Amino acid sequence: NAGVTQTPKFQVLKTGQSMTLQCAQDMNHNSMYWYRQDPGMGLRLIYYSASEGTTDKGEVPNGYNVSRLNKREFSLRLESAAPSQTSVYFCASSGFLPTSTDTQYFGPGTRLTVL
Amino acid sequence: SQQGEEDPQALSIQEGENATMNCSYKTSINNLQWYRQNSGRGLVHLILIRSNEREKHSGRLRVTLDTSKKSSSLLITASRAADTASYFCATDPSGYSTLTFGKGTMLLVSP
Repeated sequence: NAGVTQTPKFQVLKTGQSMTLQCAQDMNHNSMYWYRQDPGMGLRLIYYSASEGTTDKGEVPNGYNVSRLNKREFSLRLESAAPSQTSVYFCASSGFLPTSTDTQYFGPGTRLTVL
Repeated sequence: SQQGEEDPQALSIQEGENATMNCSYKTSINNLQWYRQNSGRGLVHLILIRSNEREKHSGRLRVTLDTSKKSSSLLITASRAADTASYFCATDPSGYSTLTFGKGTMLLVSP
């Protein structure tokens, strides 16, 4: 059981480049999430998917797109990277609900630097 | 915007001492969770306390919830160097929305 896996672990982009962060979970969870973590800002929700086939915006969705490819996989795409998107990105999943009723399980994170 | 705010921002103690962290939130909640994050790693769930519970224990962890004061505290007893990490509280403001995390308390436990 790998839990939640993320690729890549590190990435450096130039302004304007695009990239996709990959996330997969093997716990048969319905809900999946993408967060970003900046120093002194805690975690902020970018997008989430409460179930396969649905996606919703979180607190900071601008500049990002997501795809819930199937129940296991949830990807985050930066179409035109900006320095303000330099951050650590975490993927998470939970069994049934996006609310505090359910525990979230986190991946190890992707450190992204945009020059 | 942050629903939960942890206090203090940073805490430094010696091994064997107790560590107490507080979380205040603004609106009514369904449940409240605490998570731990070791440096450079993802968050790990510690404990969930429901809005109708006042206290919960898990090993060396004790969590209290006071809904009238909109606050929660996390007590780690007999701290160890391995407890060095950041600790976050998380709530869902209305009970029907997604989790909102606070900015965290950074705990340093020195041998």
